[in-house]
Amino acid sequence: DVKVTQSSRYLVKRTGEKVFLECVQDMDHENMFWYRQDPGLGLRLIYFSYDVKMKEKGDIPEGYSVSREKKERFSLILESASTNQTSMYLCATTMVGRRRGYTFGSGTRLTVV
Amino acid sequence: GESVGLHLPTLSVQEGDNSIINCAYSNSASDYFIWYKQESGKGPQFIIDIRSNMDKRQGQRVTVLLNKTVKHLSLQIAATQPGDSAVYFCAEIGGSEKLVFGKGTKLTVNP
Repeated sequence: DVKVTQSSRYLVKRTGEKVFLECVQDMDHENMFWYRQDPGLGLRLIYFSYDVKMKEKGDIPEGYSVSREKKERFSLILESASTNQTSMYLCATTMVGRRRGYTFGSGTRLTVV
Repeated sequence: GESVGLHLPTLSVQEGDNSIINCAYSNSASDYFIWYKQESGKGPQFIIDIRSNMDKRQGQRVTVLLNKTVKHLSLQIAATQPGDSAVYFCAEIGGSEKLVFGKGTKLTVNP
């Protein structure tokens, strides 16, 4: 089974801090995604990557950036955390063309105070 | 833009009853739909999928129905069990490989 590991389950950060959320997968999947999940809004796509050093904006990229220096690792960066970025963040991976093969991590619950 | 939504944010059923969770989508170009189950503290997990050239697909205790005329998707769970309590999301994919999710329905199964 594919394992998608998010480095932290819970994080508390201060407003203005630079925050790194890490996601690592062990099955050589090309595609990696970052979603945020908020009550009543479902999952919304922040950024995604189809390959190393490639990134594309999702639906809500403002206030975020990403880094994919290695195929197995996809990092989400909050340049200057704000309270409205308090949320659950979910990483997902899939192989190219395997639309049913999305695998999600367990999520990182970030609180910005 | 494309969007996928659910009719009810919460659904409460008795153990042993059948559950029906509904979803409406707006992108007529979507050609693939997936239902996910998310238990507390976990990421979404695949339940069942359906392509747009199908009307119905059955799995173990679950059935997905697709009505393209009214852009409606439903998930039926037979003989609902306490372990089915979770948040259920529908999602769609069109020409890209990006999933677009609905807002979710929280299913509570009462013993």
